[in-house]
Amino acid sequence: DVKVTQSSRYLVKRTGEKVFLECVQDMDHENMFWYRQDPGLGLRLIYFSYDVKMKEKGDIPEGYSVSREKKERFSLILESASTNQTSMYLCASNHPRDRQQFFGPGTRLTVL
Amino acid sequence: AQSVTQLGSHVSVSEGALVLLRCNYSSSVPPYLFWYVQYPNQGLQLLLKYTSAATLVKGINGFEAEFKKSETSFHLTKPSAHMRDAAEYFCAVSDSNYQLIWGAGTKLIIKP
Repeated sequence: DVKVTQSSRYLVKRTGEKVFLECVQDMDHENMFWYRQDPGLGLRLIYFSYDVKMKEKGDIPEGYSVSREKKERFSLILESASTNQTSMYLCASNHPRDRQQFFGPGTRLTVL
Repeated sequence: AQSVTQLGSHVSVSEGALVLLRCNYSSSVPPYLFWYVQYPNQGLQLLLKYTSAATLVKGINGFEAEFKKSETSFHLTKPSAHMRDAAEYFCAVSDSNYQLIWGAGTKLIIKP
């Protein structure tokens, strides 16, 4: 069974803290994605990566950075968390020729 | 540019009634279209996808969708709603860069 896993289901952090969200996939996919999901806004792409050490900004990259040192792992970093980054964060992956994306269970982040 | 519109942020139906969730898209290339479902506090799971084969696509859990090019629509239906269908449903179109453009989502409420 194919899997995308995320390091935490729920996370509570304080304003100004550095936050790491990790995502691991076991499908040998080249592409990996980070989205945030807010009510009424659907999924908004933060960053994606199409290869190790490669990254591209999505629609809302401000306040975020990413790291992809290994093919199976894609990390989202909030350098200095703010309350407006309270959200559900979803990681996904796919093969470049397969447009279907496979999702992890999500991390619900609360910044106080 | 591609876009997706889901009509109705909330749809309420009685158990046993027909489910109809609407999705309209715009695309400058032949579209690949997807419906995903998200149960509470979970990630997204693929329901079905259209990839330019048959226009009527059958998915999991008794759902199906029909691609209508003339109407630029890909509405999701199920003949008889079950309580377990209560979830949020997202329509997405694949753009020319193989990324997914998402609708805002529709919450399906099932009345007993």
